[in-house]
Amino acid sequence: GENVEQHPSTLSVQEGDSAVIKCTYSDSASNYFPWYKQELGKRPQLIIDIRSNVGEKKDQRIAVTLNKTAKHFSLHITETQPEDSAVYFCAARSNDYKLSFGAGTTVTVRA
Amino acid sequence: SQTIHQWPATLVQPVGSPLSLECTVEGTSNPNLYWYRQAAGRGLQLLFYSVGIGQISSEVPQNLSASRPQDRQFILSSKKLLLSDSGFYLCAWDRGSPLHFGNGTRLTVT
Repeated sequence: GENVEQHPSTLSVQEGDSAVIKCTYSDSASNYFPWYKQELGKRPQLIIDIRSNVGEKKDQRIAVTLNKTAKHFSLHITETQPEDSAVYFCAARSNDYKLSFGAGTTVTVRA
Repeated sequence: SQTIHQWPATLVQPVGSPLSLECTVEGTSNPNLYWYRQAAGRGLQLLFYSVGIGQISSEVPQNLSASRPQDRQFILSSKKLLLSDSGFYLCAWDRGSPLHFGNGTRLTVT
């Protein structure tokens, strides 16, 4: 099955700086890569996703890039704000339609 | 629009007691349904998934079971809870992408 690794496990950034989270996947057949944000005590919520036929996707301060050859994808958050503090999960979906999640990154934005 | 309901929101149960968590989805038909567990400060572990009524696949051996008696209803059960069953249980659904989570049930086994 698919194996997703996520780094770093924790990330502390100054407000206004950028944050980058990286994930690698093992199954070259994976074709869908969502990112979820989970605030403390809440459910994970989809913030952005990308399909394998696209190399980059952007939504305001959030962007995701995908390198199919290297089998890695990254989340970029620019101009970070305190409300960006949360746990972020990457995931990958292969032909069996199940999502495999990374272990999560705890992002702390310092004011 | 589609919505997912999960209850109860919190639950405290003694060791050895039974468990029943329920999840329903509205606004779609024949969804894929999932149960995830999240231990404190940890990632998302897939427990069960279902592609149709009566069809349940288990991802990890455990003290829990799942059932899908109706198209949009998914139930997580246990006959006798263990301390290690404590955690945050999340129901989710999709039809392709993306995956949508319910609000979760925080289970504490004492």
